[in-house]
Amino acid sequence: SQQGEEDPQALSIQEGENATMNCSYKTSINNLQWYRQNSGRGLVHLILIRSNEREKHSGRLRVTLDTSKKSSSLLITASRAADTASYFCATGSSGIAGGTSYGKLTFGQGTILTVHP
Amino acid sequence: SQTIHQWPATLVQPVGSPLSLECTVEGTSNPNLYWYRQAAGRGLQLLFYSVGIGQISSEVPQNLSASRPQDRQFILSSKKLLLSDSGFYLCAWKGQGGYEQYFGPGTRLTVT
Repeated sequence: SQQGEEDPQALSIQEGENATMNCSYKTSINNLQWYRQNSGRGLVHLILIRSNEREKHSGRLRVTLDTSKKSSSLLITASRAADTASYFCATGSSGIAGGTSYGKLTFGQGTILTVHP
Repeated sequence: SQTIHQWPATLVQPVGSPLSLECTVEGTSNPNLYWYRQAAGRGLQLLFYSVGIGQISSEVPQNLSASRPQDRQFILSSKKLLLSDSGFYLCAWKGQGGYEQYFGPGTRLTVT
């Protein structure tokens, strides 16, 4: 089942603007990751935030995590046309009854970002 | 550095025909391996994962099967394809001790 739900489903902005995408999930997690997918390609890992972290930065990316609200956001600052892609959040759990989850991830439906030059 | 390969890149197969998609990883040992399917414009659905040679776990009942004959080789198969098997198939690996997954370029399968 799909745990992550992303919002908006599609986002269209001008180059130079900031893009914010949100992700909500339902069950307990030990990490949340964001991936990017260019059309017809595989996914590329962008950034990971652990459940005990609230904010993380990587270049023009900023991720926040609110475990009380079971939500995360990805901010891309000063967007470029090359940022045009689909963005997915994925949650990893710690497993059941102390066992391992084998690193399985549950992906959201994604946000399609279009950045116009 | 680690790389992951998938082939073929695209495949058109008739209903009822067999399927074999291959995924290989280079530059790492004992990875966890995953097969996903992505329907058009949607998120990824985990189909199978493997934590070692010969160890396969299935996430959803379906017309597909997976095998891991070697440490860095993961194969997705079907004896008889259905129209509903069409989609974009992605293989991914994860190292021991990490959380991030690294994806291959994918195989676009169209069943006609």
